[in-house]
Amino acid sequence: HLQESGPGLVRPSETLSLTCTVSGGSIGNSHYYWAWIRQPPGKGLQWIGYIYYSGTTSYNPSLKSRVTMSVDTSKNQFSLNLNSVTAADTAVYYCASLRNWGGILDFDYWGLGTLVTVSS
Amino acid sequence: DIQMAQSPSSLSASVGDRVTITCRASQSISSRLNWYQQVPGKAPKLLIYGADTLQSGVPSRFSGSGSGTDFTLTITSLLPEDFAIYYCQQSYSLPFTFGPGTKVDFK
Repeated sequence: HLQESGPGLVRPSETLSLTCTVSGGSIGNSHYYWAWIRQPPGKGLQWIGYIYYSGTTSYNPSLKSRVTMSVDTSKNQFSLNLNSVTAADTAVYYCASLRNWGGILDFDYWGLGTLVTVSS
Repeated sequence: DIQMAQSPSSLSASVGDRVTITCRASQSISSRLNWYQQVPGKAPKLLIYGADTLQSGVPSRFSGSGSGTDFTLTITSLLPEDFAIYYCQQSYSLPFTFGPGTKVDFK
């Protein structure tokens, strides 16, 4: 089970910050990475990036300059920071578990999603 | 980036129909292709991974096939709860990319 939390409204040029709490399993499971995916209203899905429990990250090049992810294994949480936001960053943000099953990678569990609106 | 295309973009069907959705990658992705179902207002749900392996708990009326660049998702007998948007996603290389989706609605 994954649950996103954070502000639903962010001002333009500020930083969007979200946290995902993982329950029912350890964020330290070596078969999993922890990912963020977003979906603008009425549009498709965009992978933002992932983080491993060790802190290793990978970001979508289209967002890389503005994204930072972190992990807190003691709290079983991972977080997303997206800076210098604009209206184009308005979306439902999902956290998801990225399963690594013998080299096959898939997003097997998703949070419910949280709508973040960028507006003044 | 690997581009993913889906066809059709939408289709109308009836309960009991057989439905086929295709996904094409801009380059070979071996079998690194996953399918998701999204009911409006809900999070996506993993249906198929590795092109043809049914995720645990997913009904057997769903099946996937293909390799290389061309893939298919088939629903053998559509049920009311299957009316949703279906996305393919490649996990062959970073950045992970999704298809634009296929909306399945009532005829």
